[in-house]
Amino acid sequence: QSVLTQPPSASGTPGQRVTISCSGSSSNIGSNYVYWYQQLPGTAPKLLIYRNNQRPSGVPDRFSGSKSGTSASLAISGLRSEDEADYYCAAWDDSLSGWVVFGGGTKLTVL
Amino acid sequence: QVQLQESGPGLVKPSETLSLTCTVSGGSISSYYWSWIRQPAGKGLEWIGRIYTSGSTNYNPSLKSRVTMSVDTSKNQFSLKLSSVTAADTAVYYCGLGVAPDAFDIWGQGTMVTVSS
Repeated sequence: QSVLTQPPSASGTPGQRVTISCSGSSSNIGSNYVYWYQQLPGTAPKLLIYRNNQRPSGVPDRFSGSKSGTSASLAISGLRSEDEADYYCAAWDDSLSGWVVFGGGTKLTVL
Repeated sequence: QVQLQESGPGLVKPSETLSLTCTVSGGSISSYYWSWIRQPAGKGLEWIGRIYTSGSTNYNPSLKSRVTMSVDTSKNQFSLKLSSVTAADTAVYYCGLGVAPDAFDIWGQGTMVTVSS
């Protein structure tokens, strides 16, 4: 049972816009930054979005992040076949002594 | 370009201690946050803990009693020890670098660790 809640799956056709949600609480998303990671099949995760909505160098602007209250979203526009991957949200949680919590991951399928 | 490489035994016996090392190349280990994250086969990511170059640590509350992390700046390495392992600790273990304390900007390729007798 993950602390952050993501839908297990999402899908779209090439060119479409898809969004993936991430729900948390006041101790994590509500008071800290949200990060998104992309994990292509058989590879290590890669940082996709940091500090809610910032893209690292090299990440296409088709990827965007947003946060409102205790929820966050990752949007992918102009969907491409190479976007088929698992996507994870993460945030610092202030409870206990503080720790990083992840969502359970969303498998994105490009139809 | 900083790169990370995990190393350590791929097979550990139940009740023993899992020991992994992450070697940093292409840059200094100083002034970053260093984390370990694991992923059981077919499952999601789980943060194990992090260490700063000063030696300060934070651990996942569910693993805290079994985890020890250390950093060796002279060797550009940081390490993970997980004691009293069981089959539930079987996973791919990743090391990660963060400029910020809650981020993983760069990841190692991961190393598979199986707990079995």
